[in-house]
Amino acid sequence: SAVISQKPSRDICQRGTSLTIQCQVDSQVTMMFWYRQQPGQSLTLIATANQGSEATYESGFVIDKFPISRPNLTFSTLTVSNMSPEDSSIYLCSVRMGGGRSYNEQFFGPGTRLTVL
Amino acid sequence: AQSVTQPDIHITVSEGASLELRCNYSYGATPYLFWYVQSPGQGLQLLLKYFSGDTLVQGIKGFEAEFKRSQSSFNLRKPSVHWSDAAEYFCAVGPSGGYNKLIFGAGTRLAVHP
Repeated sequence: SAVISQKPSRDICQRGTSLTIQCQVDSQVTMMFWYRQQPGQSLTLIATANQGSEATYESGFVIDKFPISRPNLTFSTLTVSNMSPEDSSIYLCSVRMGGGRSYNEQFFGPGTRLTVL
Repeated sequence: AQSVTQPDIHITVSEGASLELRCNYSYGATPYLFWYVQSPGQGLQLLLKYFSGDTLVQGIKGFEAEFKRSQSSFNLRKPSVHWSDAAEYFCAVGPSGGYNKLIFGAGTRLAVHP
């Protein structure tokens, strides 16, 4: 498994501002993902963070709203831009380790709880 | 389309009682199946996984799950629930799509009475 940390753990922001969430992993991982969990809901994949190239976004999510960086194999950031109250959610970083059948096993960070006023 | 259904939104059990959380999936091939637990204010922790082989898999914290292909189910069980098991439980299936993402169910919230 991997130890995943996220910063900040929670934040309260004003509408129209942006917040950057950091995800740090204690070992090199093949893939990193960003999920959103809206209040009382399940997890929805926002995008796959690709090392050295642009992220791959899921339907309904766009780069202008959720720019993602992944400068190396242990770190990624997600920015929530021009926030509105509808962006209030828990944002979770996830990683997938490499090799064999465990390739599809994902581990999650503790999440960032965002409230937009 | 691939999907995961968790029919029970909320379940309440007494401490010491047995537990079964239901999960049904729709998938075009042999799936990889997962159960995650999310305690209040926490991220997701992997309880167990099924890739292939023995259809009864053991996980952490005394949980087990059984893969039944004929019923497209992967139900989670525990013989004796502890108060600390109160949490939200998510079933997930993968890979899905070109990037091997996971599809999550809506979750089942478990409450445990003393």
